[in-house]
Amino acid sequence: DAGVIQSPRHEVTEMGQEVTLRCKPISGHDYLFWYRQTMMRGLELLIYFNNNVPIDDSGMPEDRFSAKMPNASFSTLKIQPSEPRDSAVYFCASSLGGRFGATEAFFGQGTRLTVV
Amino acid sequence: KQEVTQIPAALSVPEGENLVLNCSFTDSAIYNLQWFRQDPGKGLTSLLLIQSSQREQTSGRLNASLDKSSGRSTLYIAASQPGDSATYLCAVLNAGGTSYGKLTFGQGTILTVHP
Repeated sequence: DAGVIQSPRHEVTEMGQEVTLRCKPISGHDYLFWYRQTMMRGLELLIYFNNNVPIDDSGMPEDRFSAKMPNASFSTLKIQPSEPRDSAVYFCASSLGGRFGATEAFFGQGTRLTVV
Repeated sequence: KQEVTQIPAALSVPEGENLVLNCSFTDSAIYNLQWFRQDPGKGLTSLLLIQSSQREQTSGRLNASLDKSSGRSTLYIAASQPGDSATYLCAVLNAGGTSYGKLTFGQGTILTVHP
């Protein structure tokens, strides 16, 4: 497996534009996490899914943020409209859960978003 | 609510030293604890995973311990090298209540190993 794949790697957009970040988890993994990382706040969990169902979206900062997982192999994080304070690195991660615990969480390379 | 704390926030050591990074968590209802490494501008690389029933894991010069009852983990790095310079993060996978399945991170320890 190629690991967790995120696209694009870099995104520069103007304030007010819609931004869509994409993630392909490792095949067979049933948990998917979206994180945001900034110097000031570190790694923040935005939302996570189990079997394509959102479990906890309390970390989503505002209604401008939305995430979907239409199937087990694809997830999107959308920001509409984008603002300069959304500039950060966004990571996607996946893991395999189970009754007795879970496997390691594997991270994608991240999408560096710059909103100007 | 699970909170993860890492001490120290930054550490600078000469090459060859053995060192210990600390991680503590407030809720002992966890499935596992994972240590990651992050190089500047890069993603997170998993170093070690300790299941809640285990006490320690070893990989090369790295040894991680877990004391679930006291909410603590340590990452021991033997004979440090300049290539070990990075940010080290610990994360716990929550097993309890409304945080079930949630992976919670500490703020990280920035390690610099100078020649």
